[in-house]
Amino acid sequence: EVQLVQSGAEMKKPGESLRISCKGTGYNFTNYWISWVRQMPGKGLEWMGSIDPSDSYTTYSPSFQGHVTISADKSITTAYLQWSGLEASDTAIYYCARMGYYYEMDVWGQGTTVTVFS
Amino acid sequence: QSVLTQSPSVSGAPGQRVTISCSASSSNIGADYAVHWYQQLPGTAPKLLIYGNKNRPSGVPDRFSGSRSGTSASLAISGLQAEDDADYYCQSYDTSLSGNYVFGTGTKVTVL
Repeated sequence: EVQLVQSGAEMKKPGESLRISCKGTGYNFTNYWISWVRQMPGKGLEWMGSIDPSDSYTTYSPSFQGHVTISADKSITTAYLQWSGLEASDTAIYYCARMGYYYEMDVWGQGTTVTVFS
Repeated sequence: QSVLTQSPSVSGAPGQRVTISCSASSSNIGADYAVHWYQQLPGTAPKLLIYGNKNRPSGVPDRFSGSRSGTSASLAISGLQAEDDADYYCQSYDTSLSGNYVFGTGTKVTVL
């Protein structure tokens, strides 16, 4: 079964760093890009950026460029989303998703809830 | 901000047919990029419903259908069921900002 399994919920303070993960199983991890999607409380879906796990080439939404870093370790079939200085406005659910042939997001992780509070 | 506009809400009685629209600019749907649709049930991750404008992944009921014309796309749900009560999002590729994947604003479908 193709699956993306994300790391657990996080509670952090403003200014702290954080890295969340997304492990792909049941398929050839390097054959599909991985995207990260943010959903703020009560709001819609926002594409943050994507990575090609085969060579770690990344592309970011201008809205998130410079605020987050996307990376991947193909040896353990895991993608990452990280922050070096969290803000309260980063409070959201973050999903990873596999990109299909037509650039659709065909498999989704269960989501990681990040809460930033002082 | 999203460049794909959806009506905020749609409602219908069980068994009825509802349609959700997704309006875009020429830099995405109008430029012949495929449109995809997702269903998000309360408290769960989104699920791919339609890909490539009109194709259903395995396991998605044929009550769901997608279409596209010009700079608009539509998702139709026929024979509405209680379990269809959810949020629905369209998604495409946009070239206006150095290449982005963009989501629609989302539509809440309420089954009366």
